[in-house]
Amino acid sequence: EAQVTQNPRYLITVTGKKLTVTCSQNMNHEYMSWYRQDPGLGLRQIYYSMNVEVTDKGDVPEGYKVSRKEKRNFPLILESPSPNQTSLYFCASCFNRGGGYTFGSGTRLTVV
Amino acid sequence: QKEVEQDPGPLSVPEGAIVSLNCTYSNSAFQYFMWYRQYSRKGPELLMYTYSSGNKEDGRFTAQVDKSSKYISLFIRDSQPSDSATYLCAMSVAAGNKLTFGGGTRVLVKP
Repeated sequence: EAQVTQNPRYLITVTGKKLTVTCSQNMNHEYMSWYRQDPGLGLRQIYYSMNVEVTDKGDVPEGYKVSRKEKRNFPLILESPSPNQTSLYFCASCFNRGGGYTFGSGTRLTVV
Repeated sequence: QKEVEQDPGPLSVPEGAIVSLNCTYSNSAFQYFMWYRQYSRKGPELLMYTYSSGNKEDGRFTAQVDKSSKYISLFIRDSQPSDSATYLCAMSVAAGNKLTFGGGTRVLVKP
């Protein structure tokens, strides 16, 4: 089944404890992206990648890091999480020729 | 003012009715237009994908894009209770480029 897989689905952590949210897609998509969804603010892009070793900032990159060492994987790293990073996170991927993004099921992160 | 505006709803309709959703936008560079459906606690699911102006139909769904008015629409015919969800419009300047989303419209289809 063609899909974007995120792990974990739910995570509660403490301020300052480094964490990684993994994302993997099996569709051979070139483009991958991370979004966060917050009430009243909607979906906002954090980082995106156009291909292996090519990444760039989105609208809200502060406090996040990403890497794209393999085409299928695009992990999101929070080096020192803070409570304002409590949110619902989505990974998404698509072909570089377009066709719309396929989204993962989401990771609900709570930072206390 | 937001780049993409969408009425948050909720929009409540009886089963079998036509659901009409729309978004307006301000960036004339947008060329790719999408509609996503999102159920509670789930990821957005792509419903319709269109390029530039025109209409596109897929089963019970019809998407319309009017670039001259900066206005896009989604129509759902013969609505079902299972269509109850939040509908998000999204658009981008180039294929695969960053998506700019509307805030979403919550739709309730009552049996």
